[in-house]
Amino acid sequence: NAGVTQTPKFRVLKTGQSMTLLCAQDMNHEYMYWYRQDPGMGLRLIHYSVGEGTTAKGEVPDGYNVSRLKKQNFLLGLESAAPSQTSVYFCASSYPTADSNQPQHFGDGTRLSIL
Amino acid sequence: AQKVTQAQTEISVVEKEDVTLDCVYETRDTTYYLFWYKQPPSGELVFLIRRNSFDEQNEISGRYSWNFQKSTSSFNFTITASQVVDSAVYFCALFPPRGGSEKLVFGKGTKLTVNP
Repeated sequence: NAGVTQTPKFRVLKTGQSMTLLCAQDMNHEYMYWYRQDPGMGLRLIHYSVGEGTTAKGEVPDGYNVSRLKKQNFLLGLESAAPSQTSVYFCASSYPTADSNQPQHFGDGTRLSIL
Repeated sequence: AQKVTQAQTEISVVEKEDVTLDCVYETRDTTYYLFWYKQPPSGELVFLIRRNSFDEQNEISGRYSWNFQKSTSSFNFTITASQVVDSAVYFCALFPPRGGSEKLVFGKGTKLTVNP
């Protein structure tokens, strides 16, 4: 039971570098999400997707881009990493929120440090 | 606006004590959903419970129980006879279906430490 898998688990970048975080889910969920978790801030939504080929901005989208080319994958990109993007990133997926009692299933997180 | 407040930043108890984690929410929606997640030291987020706004019945699952009170906009979580393995950060979250952003609104979390 893989569930939601995030790659990589850890990464250190230099300011200005780019990278892509990969999220894959095998539960056939329509909805996918990217959150960031910072100390004392809880989780904040960066971007989300309600289906293949669609994306939307969340609460803190600046500095990030996303793509959902396949239903099972949701990619989070940092084009030019900044120290303020040092965080733990969580991907989640769920069934359509019309069935809103369905919980979001989370990956194990990616710890990203920007030097 | 939707908001979740977990006023307790950190709680420390001794094993076998009962502990209650508070969650107060704000929403203008009449239909909404509430969740609790656990984040152990290993870092993953584990779903514990969901509750919709029309179901005020309290729930018990083993040593865990949840008290939902719409009148006070609270959804508190009690662990009975706490154990060291309960040490984690616990998040309360609100899902407002008509919020438009499809997002869970998380509280900032309560870090629970259970000492042997």
